[in-house]
Amino acid sequence: DTEVTQTPKHLVMGMTNKKSLKCEQHMGHRAMYWYKQKAKKPPELMFVYSYEKLSINESVPSRFSPECPNSSLLNLHLHALQPEDSALYLCASSQEGGSGTGELFFGEGSRLTVL
Amino acid sequence: QQQVKQSPQSLIVQKGGISIINCAYENTAFDYFPWYQQFPGKGPALLIAIRPDVSEKKEGRFTISFNKSAKQFSLHIMDSQPGDSATYFCAAIRSNTGRRALTFGSGTRLQVQP
Repeated sequence: DTEVTQTPKHLVMGMTNKKSLKCEQHMGHRAMYWYKQKAKKPPELMFVYSYEKLSINESVPSRFSPECPNSSLLNLHLHALQPEDSALYLCASSQEGGSGTGELFFGEGSRLTVL
Repeated sequence: QQQVKQSPQSLIVQKGGISIINCAYENTAFDYFPWYQQFPGKGPALLIAIRPDVSEKKEGRFTISFNKSAKQFSLHIMDSQPGDSATYFCAAIRSNTGRRALTFGSGTRLQVQP
């Protein structure tokens, strides 16, 4: 079982809706990530948080808004999405700093469908 | 620019056979090379990983071979089983910088036939 928990597992929303994806980890990791994965493609990095601060934003449209309320939680707020935003959204965490391997632990993902 | 190239795109192997997936990278600053296994509807899970100061690492039926001079690494799955059927991603990371994000290969869909 994964130690990164994502909710909801499935989400269907209209283009005018506002929704949020949630991620939680209790491994003491201080780096957390959002990835987007389309079918038959590798995960694509969206955002990286390090010590609760946004450190990387891969030029993601503003209709995706990340939030890191504390070291265990990561949210992705969704607003005015487009049908092409339909994908599997993956949260991951890793150790930060020092000589850590950088191994990422992924959650099972939230399957998003935009109608 | 695709920094990690992976082949083949798909692979069909008979039960008990050897599955081989190859990757090549361009950035010599990469210093950690993990392989991820992903089943349908699940997130990727770390399978095995290697650092470039080691030429081979084996964990059970899974072996990574690493050729630093050629900037290539490969995953060998011995005695392949139907339960190994999944998508496999090679990846690379620069662990000594603030940018700890993985660079993934394009993925290989492995099907092991009974």
